[in-house]
Amino acid sequence: DVKVTQSSRYLVKRTGEKVFLECVQDMDHENMFWYRQDPGLGLRLIYFSYDVKMKEKGDIPEGYSVSREKKERFSLILESASTNQTSMYLCASSFWVGEPEAFFGQGTRLTVV
Amino acid sequence: AQKVTQAQTEISVVEKEDVTLDCVYETRDTTYYLFWYKQPPSGELVFLIRRNSFDEQNEISGRYSWNFQKSTSSFNFTITASQVVDSAVYFCALSAMTGGGNKLTFGTGTQLKVEL
Repeated sequence: DVKVTQSSRYLVKRTGEKVFLECVQDMDHENMFWYRQDPGLGLRLIYFSYDVKMKEKGDIPEGYSVSREKKERFSLILESASTNQTSMYLCASSFWVGEPEAFFGQGTRLTVV
Repeated sequence: AQKVTQAQTEISVVEKEDVTLDCVYETRDTTYYLFWYKQPPSGELVFLIRRNSFDEQNEISGRYSWNFQKSTSSFNFTITASQVVDSAVYFCALSAMTGGGNKLTFGTGTQLKVEL
């Protein structure tokens, strides 16, 4: 079974803090993704990565950065957390070809106070 | 640019009714994949089906069926004889090449409520 693991299920951080969300996958997937999910807005893509050290902006990258130093790990960084970044964050991974469906982690509910 | 539109925000049906969830997509790529995911109240996204752009055959899996039509850029999902356990949010998604990688874009989801 594919396993995508996010480091925390729930996080509470203060405004202005630097926040790291970690994601690890065990299927040797090339692609990894970070989304945020808000009511009525679906899943919005923040950043994705198709290889180690390679990244591309998604649809809402402002206020976020990412790091992919190893193939299995993809980190989302909130440089200076703000209350409008309170959300559910979902990590996913997939192959390029063959079976390209994405598999998701359990999500991290981040609250910025 | 790529985009997925799920115009139905919420659908309520009575058990045993058939229901169709609509999905319309936009992409400039000729090679792409389409997906449906289910998100039950527990929150974890569950992959249901994948279709590539060269395969327009419809698919049936038990009570689920999918209709892919390139001419209308649609990939609709039908549940036959709905059950309470089908209650969930359903997402349609599109994967196409952009820059160096495959960008995976989701629609806003359709909340399906199946009542007794």
